[in-house]
Amino acid sequence: DAEITQSPRHKITETGRQVTLACHQTWNHNNMFWYRQDLGHGLRLIHYSYGVQDTNKGEVSDGYSVSRSNTEDLPLTLESAASSQTSVYFCASSPSGNTIYFGEGSWLTVV
Amino acid sequence: KQEVTQIPAALSVPEGENLVLNCSFTDSAIYNLQWFRQDPGKGLTSLLLIQSSQREQTSGRLNASLDKSSGRSTLYIAASQPGDSATYLCAAPPSNDYKLSFGAGTTVTVRA
Repeated sequence: DAEITQSPRHKITETGRQVTLACHQTWNHNNMFWYRQDLGHGLRLIHYSYGVQDTNKGEVSDGYSVSRSNTEDLPLTLESAASSQTSVYFCASSPSGNTIYFGEGSWLTVV
Repeated sequence: KQEVTQIPAALSVPEGENLVLNCSFTDSAIYNLQWFRQDPGKGLTSLLLIQSSQREQTSGRLNASLDKSSGRSTLYIAASQPGDSATYLCAAPPSNDYKLSFGAGTTVTVRA
């Protein structure tokens, strides 16, 4: 079955370190998204991509970057991890503006 | 910027009672309205999607309505069961884009 997978599922890192969260989907969807989820805030969009070589900033993009070199992958990089970036990160993909599929999440703790 | 609000933040009901979850949005120019379920420690699962031209959508015990003019959607869950305990989120993409704006969710507990 086609799926969307995130790795690592859990990570603890130190302030100032660079961290990359991987997202891989096997549906060949053009649209991919990264969200973070914090208590009381719901899901907030970090970055998104509508195709290879296309990347766009979401509402909370400061301190994050993404790259899209193929259809399947959209890695999220924290350039210099900060305690405020402790959160749960969700990757998602969709073929259009309709049904969207989410990964299981990556729990990141910055100490 | 689309603002999506869900009230109440938490809800506890006895088994068998019908659930009514509310979602409001500020910009009526939406492509669709989506309801998701999230179990603790898990990702989001799509429950229902209402196209902007539709007024409601049904799946089993779930029924969702959409009133764009008032900026509201309601998710009804009939005859609730303990297995319905989860967080329910609504989200809407703008009419000219695919990215979703989410509400903070309503956490539902169904007591056996």
